[in-house]
Amino acid sequence: AQSVTQPDIHITVSEGASLELRCNYSYGATPYLFWYVQSPGQGLQLLLKYFSGDTLVQGIKGFEAEFKRSQSSFNLRKPSVHWSDAAEYFCAVSGFQKLVFGTGTRLLVSP
Amino acid sequence: GAGVSQSPRYKVAKRGQDVALRCDPISGHVSLFWYQQALGQGPEFLTYFQNEAQLDKSGLPSDRFFAERPEGSVSTLKIQRTQQEDSAVYLCASSLEVGPGTHTQYFGPGTRLTVL
Repeated sequence: AQSVTQPDIHITVSEGASLELRCNYSYGATPYLFWYVQSPGQGLQLLLKYFSGDTLVQGIKGFEAEFKRSQSSFNLRKPSVHWSDAAEYFCAVSGFQKLVFGTGTRLLVSP
Repeated sequence: GAGVSQSPRYKVAKRGQDVALRCDPISGHVSLFWYQQALGQGPEFLTYFQNEAQLDKSGLPSDRFFAERPEGSVSTLKIQRTQQEDSAVYLCASSLEVGPGTHTQYFGPGTRLTVL
């Protein structure tokens, strides 16, 4: 069965500092991987996705993620965090159709 | 163009009441999904439609939950005899493509259901 683990429930980063959010997945075949962001009271917005090819994928708002098959990981990174990045971040894996989400990481940005 | 819309945005129900949640997908999107997001959790899959056909309802937690998409566009998620454990945000998503895992799902803002 597919599963996603996001080991960090909360992360606090200073504005302007770099960010890395961890995601580990379990899936028997080639996974399709996604990162979504959710602001309070909002739906989920897609940041980036990995289907195949280059293992480093670029997304919106300056985010990137790297797929590492050997580590079953798909960590999200950003070189310089802005206060507006404070939100909940979800990693997800897809097999055929449905998405399986992790429990999320709440990002807090300190001034 | 317009994104996925859901109504109502907030719903308060007394235990035992029936509720109906509506989802308007992006026009032309073939696939439609419902997810349930409990407080502090990630979304969990409920059911999936391809056009009007409900192809996967494995995530529906009980037979009190029922979803339909009769004309292949708007979908309604109905919960009968609501219980407190049904309190959650219900998210709808749609995608244009049909295929194994390569589609991108676009989410609506969700309906927050509170059962008293």
